[in-house]
Amino acid sequence: DAGITQSPRYKITETGRQVTLMCHQTWSHSYMFWYRQDLGHGLRLIYYSAAADITDKGEVPDGYVVSRSKTENFPLTLESATRSQTSVYFCASSEHGSGANVLTFGAGSRLTVL
Amino acid sequence: QKEVEQDPGPLSVPEGAIVSLNCTYSNSAFQYFMWYRQYSRKGPELLMYTYSSGNKEDGRFTAQVDKSSKYISLFIRDSQPSDSATYLCAMKQSGNTPLVFGKGTRLSVIA
Repeated sequence: DAGITQSPRYKITETGRQVTLMCHQTWSHSYMFWYRQDLGHGLRLIYYSAAADITDKGEVPDGYVVSRSKTENFPLTLESATRSQTSVYFCASSEHGSGANVLTFGAGSRLTVL
Repeated sequence: QKEVEQDPGPLSVPEGAIVSLNCTYSNSAFQYFMWYRQYSRKGPELLMYTYSSGNKEDGRFTAQVDKSSKYISLFIRDSQPSDSATYLCAMKQSGNTPLVFGKGTRLSVIA
């Protein structure tokens, strides 16, 4: 299927566990992004990537790790999950980073850390 | 002060009303201004974007940018229940810089 897909859509885990959220896009977009969305904070950028093997921190990177070995995949790992990381996580992609930089979002991954 | 301020609402209007959604910003380097719409339990989707100042119209939707006041607006004419969603403003500088989002305004259009 064409588009951007996230998995899992829902995940419940415990404090201290490692969790990986997957993101896959079929457009060969250069740029990919991870956001978290929380009540009262809106969308906050965690990490982004301009190309394979190039990643940069966003506004709230602490506690998260990303990698991008292939253009189409951009997994987000919580190495030791904390309750404050309970959130809805959105992956997005865009063809360019400059100019209008229109983002296309996935459907989101809802993570609960107990 | 956050770079982008947006009243979270909620905003409730009757069907057919004109809706005005607004954002203010502090960074005068912002050049690209966008509105995303997000339905419940879905990802945001681009509604409109504008480069620099001016107006842009698309059907029932009009986006306005006033760079001198650092103020952007989205107007929805003849609002419909299907317009019920959260509307997020977003903006960025030119170059390889990330989008900065407002917190979003939740809109309900009541039939």
